[in-house]
Formats: sequence, structure tokens, C-alpha cells
Amino acid sequence: GNSVTQMEGPVTLSEEAFLTINCTYTATGYPSLFWYVQYPGEGLQLLLKATKADDKGSNKGFEATYRKETTSFHLEKGSVQVSDSAVYFCALSGQGAQKLVFGQGTRLTINP
Amino acid sequence: NAGVMQNPRHLVRRRGQEARLRCSPMKGHSHVYWYRQLPEEGLKFMVYLQKENIIDESGMPKERFSAEFPKEGPSILRIQQVVRGDSAAYFCASSPDIYNEQFFGPGTRLTVL
Repeated sequence: GNSVTQMEGPVTLSEEAFLTINCTYTATGYPSLFWYVQYPGEGLQLLLKATKADDKGSNKGFEATYRKETTSFHLEKGSVQVSDSAVYFCALSGQGAQKLVFGQGTRLTINP
Repeated sequence: NAGVMQNPRHLVRRRGQEARLRCSPMKGHSHVYWYRQLPEEGLKFMVYLQKENIIDESGMPKERFSAEFPKEGPSILRIQQVVRGDSAAYFCASSPDIYNEQFFGPGTRLTVL
């Protein structure tokens, strides 16, 4: 079945550092890929998405590129801020299926 | 346009009691999804419903759990005879159709004593 494997956390960085959170997936067909962010005590918010190979999703300085050859969708940001501290989830929805399959989440803490 | 509403936000039940979790989707959304998040884990799909129909319940435990999305009113996730292992955050999401993203509610945090 479909699955998502995420870089294990927690990850702690200093403000303005470069961020990469790795995400790889296993799926049949052509899934859509997502990054969600969860702030403390809140629900998930969609951060960015990509629906086909080589698409790049971007939002709020975050980027991720759908790489079919490596089955990856790594999240990057060039300069993180304290306000980026949250839990980040990589997810996919399989072709023809609506349910989301999530990775285990990566807790990110940014220190000033 | 109000977002996805869930209530209650926090629910405490003793073992053996029933828990009812409510989800009101965004206006114009007729597709509802329920997910469960155990402590320090990712979200796991439970069930996908459209108005009056269960489309996919492959993630629902076989016993004690049920879900509905009536023609009028919110979607309900019902857990009968709760056990400590049911303690988790339950998130509802909605979408307008099968092609668009899911929007998540703030979740209901269930604690079973």
C-alpha cells in the first residue's frame, strides 16, 4: 500500500539557518504530494502541494519539488524564523483515492 | 467563510462511556474525512463520508466506532465503550469535491480516564 517516510526529528536550528526536511514515498500510479504544518494545539494547515512530477510547490518561503525518479518531496526553506517552529507532516493522496496518508511528522524548533 | 468546526475541543470520558465528536464542514463542502492522531504520531485515516453515505471506512476499527454524515447537521464520529487506548486527537477535514484539497478542523482531544 501507499506509505510516507519522513525524516525523524526533532530538528533544532538557529534563526536564519537553512532547513531541509526529507520525505520519501511509496505509491502506485501518480499520487499528489503535500506538506502540512501543525502549530501547538491547532489543526493542520496545508503549506504547499504538488500534483505531478517535477512540479514545485511553494508558500511562505518554503519549497518542495515532486521528484518521481527518487520518490521524494523534500521540504526546504532558505532562512527559517522562530515563528516556523511547528510540526511538519508530509502526506500523499493516491491516484483515485481521497484519503491522505501521512508521515510521522517532524517537530521543528527554531531558536532566536 | 468559516473554517471546519469541531466540537467539543476537549472531551474527557471514563472507560466504558460513549464519546460523540462533531464536525461541521466548510460551507459548500460535502466531503468529510476523519483522522486520528495518537500521541507523537502522524495522522491515520479513519473514514471518508459524503452526505448520507460512507465511501471508505477502511481505517475504522471494526468494533465500537461508527460515523455518519446526515443530510442535515454535522458529521458525527461515535465511539462506544471507550478504552484508554482511544485517547487521541481526532481531526475532521472537508473538501468541496474529490479534486480539491482537504481543510482541517482544530481537532477534538479525547482523554479516557
